Amino acid sequence: KQEVTQIPAALSVPEGENLVLNCSFTDSAIYNLQWFRQDPGKGLTSLLLIQSSQREQTSGRLNASLDKSSGRSTLYIAASQPGDSATYLCAVRYGGATNKLIFGTGTLLAVQP
Amino acid sequence: DAGVIQSPRHEVTEMGQEVTLRCKPISGHDYLFWYRQTMMRGLELLIYFNNNVPIDDSGMPEDRFSAKMPNASFSTLKIQPSEPRDSAVYFCASSLSGEATQYFGPGTRLTVL
Repeated sequence: KQEVTQIPAALSVPEGENLVLNCSFTDSAIYNLQWFRQDPGKGLTSLLLIQSSQREQTSGRLNASLDKSSGRSTLYIAASQPGDSATYLCAVRYGGATNKLIFGTGTLLAVQP
Repeated sequence: DAGVIQSPRHEVTEMGQEVTLRCKPISGHDYLFWYRQTMMRGLELLIYFNNNVPIDDSGMPEDRFSAKMPNASFSTLKIQPSEPRDSAVYFCASSLSGEATQYFGPGTRLTVL
């Protein structure tokens, strides 16, 4: 069964700290992987998309890495800010004919001012 | 563009009643996805359409659930009859292609009493 796991489930850090969120997946035959942000009561916002052929993607203070062989992805947030507080979800798309995204359970991040 | 539009934002109904959720995708997007989010099961794909045609409905939980896409700018998800365990947030998302970034609507919070 294709599963996506995120650790930790919740994280609280002081403002300015660099942090890493983890995502692991059971099947390494992925097509791509996406990181999303979800604010309370709102939909998901795509942050970064990494193709299976890529090792990392960067956008501003965010950097996502992908290691297919170990079934892991990390989202690195530099110099965290209170506005980064949200739930972060990773989602994996596997190859073949499917266009399904399989989501992890998310990491709830709180950045304390 | 206004993004993906969903209505209603909140719906409270009684068990046994019919519920219809609505979605307007981003103009020009060929793919439309319906998801359900609960605390217990996280985000799950229910069904997705390509060019208004249902491609994969394997995530639809029961025959009580049905979805339609009569044209490129409108889709509905219907639950008849509704049950308390259907209470969840239902998201609609759209994308330019099956592999591209999915853009999510704000969701409909459904409560079945």
